[in-house]
Amino acid sequence: EIVLTQSPDFQSVTPKEKVTITCRASQSIGSSLHWYQQKPDQSPKLLIKYASQSFSGVPSRFSGSGSGTDFTLTINSLEAEDAATYYCHQSVGLPSTFGQGTKLEIK
Amino acid sequence: QVQLVESGGGLVKPGGSLRLSCAASGFTFSDYYMSWIRQAPGKGLEWVSYISSSSSYTNFADSVKGRITISRDNAKNSLYLQMNSLRAEDTAVYYCARGGTYSSSTNFDYWGQGTLVTVSS
Repeated sequence: EIVLTQSPDFQSVTPKEKVTITCRASQSIGSSLHWYQQKPDQSPKLLIKYASQSFSGVPSRFSGSGSGTDFTLTINSLEAEDAATYYCHQSVGLPSTFGQGTKLEIK
Repeated sequence: QVQLVESGGGLVKPGGSLRLSCAASGFTFSDYYMSWIRQAPGKGLEWVSYISSSSSYTNFADSVKGRITISRDNAKNSLYLQMNSLRAEDTAVYYCARGGTYSSSTNFDYWGQGTLVTVSS
């Protein structure tokens, strides 16, 4: 099973700040890494697919990068509505696995 | 627009059974792989199972293998999860999610709102 490890687990940030969340895979997964946002009491929503492709309708302040084992989700100019838990997900191996999540708190 | 609506969750005793349903609309359901993903209270996401567009292929997480069956009815635009021999650790919100058209190795681009399954005596 491919293990995804996110860092940090929790971050408290101020609006307009730039945020970086990392996801490290236990083995190479090429670019088969996706990012989701889950707000409290809501279902997850796809933000970024295949490491760097923005999903339809996602604000341009969200971007992704990386390949192989190391990946990054960047949120430029954070907004209050970005308070959520963010998950990475790999789809190259079975079982499909998720990172443990990174909770963003807006100060 | 794409909509996925789960139903069928509830309180069940350990060892009991439950059948979850997911009604799909807004896209050609028969073209897509579909998955079930669960989230225990206060925990992260765990993929449970997928089924291919024509039901030819299925796969399950080790944690549920042998206790869960996934199926679909493309004529009814519906996905199902039959859960047997339920355990306390199966307590979670269960989401159905849309996968890709040609492969299971894709992202999940749309999710339902989830249905809560509670296994407790």
